[in-house]
Amino acid sequence: EVQLVESGGGLVQPGRSLKLSCAASGFTFSNYYMAWVRQAPKKGLEWVATISTSGSRTYYPDSVKGRFTISRDNAKSSLYLQMNSLKSEDTATYYCARVQQSTTAFDYWGQGVMVTVSS
Amino acid sequence: DIVMTQGALPNPVPSGESASITCRSSKSLVYKDGKTYLNWFLQRPGQSPQLLTYWTSTRASGVSERFSGSGSGTYFTLKISRVRAEDAGVYYCQQVREYPYTFGAGTKLELK
Repeated sequence: EVQLVESGGGLVQPGRSLKLSCAASGFTFSNYYMAWVRQAPKKGLEWVATISTSGSRTYYPDSVKGRFTISRDNAKSSLYLQMNSLKSEDTATYYCARVQQSTTAFDYWGQGVMVTVSS
Repeated sequence: DIVMTQGALPNPVPSGESASITCRSSKSLVYKDGKTYLNWFLQRPGQSPQLLTYWTSTRASGVSERFSGSGSGTYFTLKISRVRAEDAGVYYCQQVREYPYTFGAGTKLELK
């Protein structure tokens, strides 16, 4: 059974940093692209980052580019999101998702982890 | 960036009826391989999003045949036949034709 379990969320002050983790199991992690998607309270979904199977290619929207870094450790079947210079508008539930490379389908999602940026 | 615009539903929808959700993109989602990169998701209350269809109309594993995606180019539709209570939630379309990937604002389905 495919499982994605996020951790590392919490309350953080504006301008500070936080690192999210996503532990994957039930599939060969190194064979899949992975992504982070977030959802602000009572709002819609926003794609945050995607990483290739080896980690050599990463992609971000302008809203987080230069502040967020997606990475992975295939040996540990783990995905990460380093978030720096956090802003109040980064407050959201962050989901990790598995991405089928051939179809670009986000086919499995974790339960999400809440990040609150507030002083 | 590609803008995704979703239509609204005439809520509430009577159980057993059909419902169609529209999604329009500001640019064609057809890639050079001929495939159209449009995903549909359902997010039930308090849950994570669930993939329904990809490549416009291919149902994801385990998804009911009551869900059918259609469309081409810039106009897409998700049809839900014989609506049930478990179909309630917010439906999102997502383009994965090019970066940055973008979602529609969501369409809420409420049942009567």
